[in-house]
Amino acid sequence: EIVLTQSPATLSLSPGERATLSCGASQSVSNSYLAWYQQKPGLPPRLLIYDASSRATGIPDRFSGSGSVTDFALTINRLEPEDFAVYYCQQYGSSSLTFGGGTKVEIK
Amino acid sequence: QVQLVQSGAEVRKPGASVKVSCKASGYTFTNYYIDWVRQAPGQGLEWMGWINPNTGGTNYAQKFQGRVTMTRDTSITTAYMELSSLRSDDTAMYYCARDPRAFNYFDPWGQGTLVTVSS
Repeated sequence: EIVLTQSPATLSLSPGERATLSCGASQSVSNSYLAWYQQKPGLPPRLLIYDASSRATGIPDRFSGSGSVTDFALTINRLEPEDFAVYYCQQYGSSSLTFGGGTKVEIK
Repeated sequence: QVQLVQSGAEVRKPGASVKVSCKASGYTFTNYYIDWVRQAPGQGLEWMGWINPNTGGTNYAQKFQGRVTMTRDTSITTAYMELSSLRSDDTAMYYCARDPRAFNYFDPWGQGTLVTVSS
């Protein structure tokens, strides 16, 4: 099973700043099959990025994904008030799907 | 629009079973897999498995094999997840999610069903 480690656990930033979230895999993620989700309290996760760098339908272009093999990142340019949430990465390059532990982006 | 609507909250005693439903609309039900993911209170996400609504074929995460059963009723475009031999650490929000193919990302997700296991 591929273990995903997200860092930092918490990111304290102000609106308008850039957020960079990391997701490290214990093994190579084949075909860069990695997704990012946003979750707000009381709501289900929402798909932001798939295949490491493709934005899902309706996702603003301030969200971008990058990386390959074992190191991936989600960047949020110019944080908006609605972007403060928990973010999870997920790999689907193996037949045992796994999620990272999450990064909380909070208002500084 | 694509929508997954789940059944309401459940309370069960340890050792019992629970069956959660997921009603799909806005797309061809048999063209996409349905996965189940759970989230314990204040914790992260855990994948449980998927069902292929077209064939009824399933794939379960090793952790849940022997305790989980995923089924579907194509006539009412609904998928089901039944978890048996419940324990207190099965208390969680259970989500269904649409999956373009087996072993993939999830979009969209149902609203979630809270299952509480308590004596």
